[in-house]
Amino acid sequence: EVQLVESGGGLVKPGGSLRLSCAASGFSFSYGWMSWVRQAPGKGLEWVGRAKSRTYGGATDYGAPVKGRFTISRDDSKNTVYLQMNSLKTEDMAVYYCTTEGAYCGGGSCHGFDFWGQGILVTVSS
Amino acid sequence: DIQMTQSPSSLSASVGDRVTITCRASQSISDYLNWYQQKPGKAPKLLIYAASSLQSGVPSRFSGSGSGTDFTLTISSLQPEDCATYYCQQSYSTPLFGQGTNLEIK
Repeated sequence: EVQLVESGGGLVKPGGSLRLSCAASGFSFSYGWMSWVRQAPGKGLEWVGRAKSRTYGGATDYGAPVKGRFTISRDDSKNTVYLQMNSLKTEDMAVYYCTTEGAYCGGGSCHGFDFWGQGILVTVSS
Repeated sequence: DIQMTQSPSSLSASVGDRVTITCRASQSISDYLNWYQQKPGKAPKLLIYAASSLQSGVPSRFSGSGSGTDFTLTISSLQPEDCATYYCQQSYSTPLFGQGTNLEIK
């Protein structure tokens, strides 16, 4: 059974930093594309960024609102993906979900967020 | 950048009804379109990938169709447990979700 468990959320002041972790189990983590998706209170889903698998060079991509402030990394030896969030803004306040992006892979890319963690709340407030 | 327009933003239907939700992309995305269901306080759940492929474990009353710019999610016979918000998502380029459709049961 695939499990994704996020940790590290909490309250942080604007301008502060926070690191989220996502511990994965139940699948071959090193082959999986890992993404973070967030949802602000009462709002829709927003893709934050991804770390591709080593097979695809381990490259990272980011959504425009977080590019330059957030960094995604992965430790395949620990089956864990991280989201380092710096220079946090009030608009970054959201539930952050860790998700696998592997409903189907082909043509050099993977698609579809097939497994999700339970989500973790990040509150940005002074 | 590709824009995704989902409609309607909300709808109310009765148990047993056939329900259709549409998603339109601002440019062709081939069949790189996925659908999700999200219930309050829960993580989203993948229903349909590659426009029309049913994710494992999802009831067969859910189906997806379309390619290019216009896509549809259909629930053939609405059940009480289908009360949720539904999102489309394009994976042709940087992942982007539609605005969501809030489905209520009359």
